[in-house]
Amino acid sequence: GQQVMQIPQYQHVQEGEDFTTYCNSSTTLSNIQWYKQRPGGHPVFLIQLVKSGEVKKQKRLTFQFGEAKKNSSLHITATQTTDVGTYFCAGGRLTSYGKLTFGQGTILTVHP
Amino acid sequence: DTEVTQTPKHLVMGMTNKKSLKCEQHMGHRAMYWYKQKAKKPPELMFVYSYEKLSINESVPSRFSPECPNSSLLNLHLHALQPEDSALYLCASSQNIAVKYQETQYFGPGTRLLVL
Repeated sequence: GQQVMQIPQYQHVQEGEDFTTYCNSSTTLSNIQWYKQRPGGHPVFLIQLVKSGEVKKQKRLTFQFGEAKKNSSLHITATQTTDVGTYFCAGGRLTSYGKLTFGQGTILTVHP
Repeated sequence: DTEVTQTPKHLVMGMTNKKSLKCEQHMGHRAMYWYKQKAKKPPELMFVYSYEKLSINESVPSRFSPECPNSSLLNLHLHALQPEDSALYLCASSQNIAVKYQETQYFGPGTRLLVL
């Protein structure tokens, strides 16, 4: 079936270190979205990437969409304790209408 | 207002009970979603409504019955649930269901359901 693989499953970092999570799809995506879920919270939309090779930045967060539109990454520079949470990528396909396929998520822990 | 509200926040029910989860949004969105999320797992899509009509049912058991009374409200009626149905139930909305690419989804805080 259609899958979006996300690695790593867990990441522990010291505050100030960088962090990257990767998503890979078995099929070409029309777009990819990133969500953050704080512990005990709900997913909150971060960004959407639509174009091949697209790179977007939000302060310390950098999002990339691969040239083939099959992979994506989220990089956080100089992590802070407020970055703690689970980061999900979610891919959409042209024929999927309202359906997003979520990756398994990366649980980020930041040690002060 | 970019808020999706859900009630109740927590729900404990027995396997013979009937209960309902409610979701509301006032962003003028025409697509609404129900997801189920287990601990440390991604949200799993259950249902999608577009313009108050059921658009997607991800082969969800009939003990879950969705309802969209109007464009702002979405209900999930629960009957004869099993303990394995215990989870966080998330509602989400988006502007619409686009053909070309999926719209941003705004999630509510969820209802934490425990089935005994």
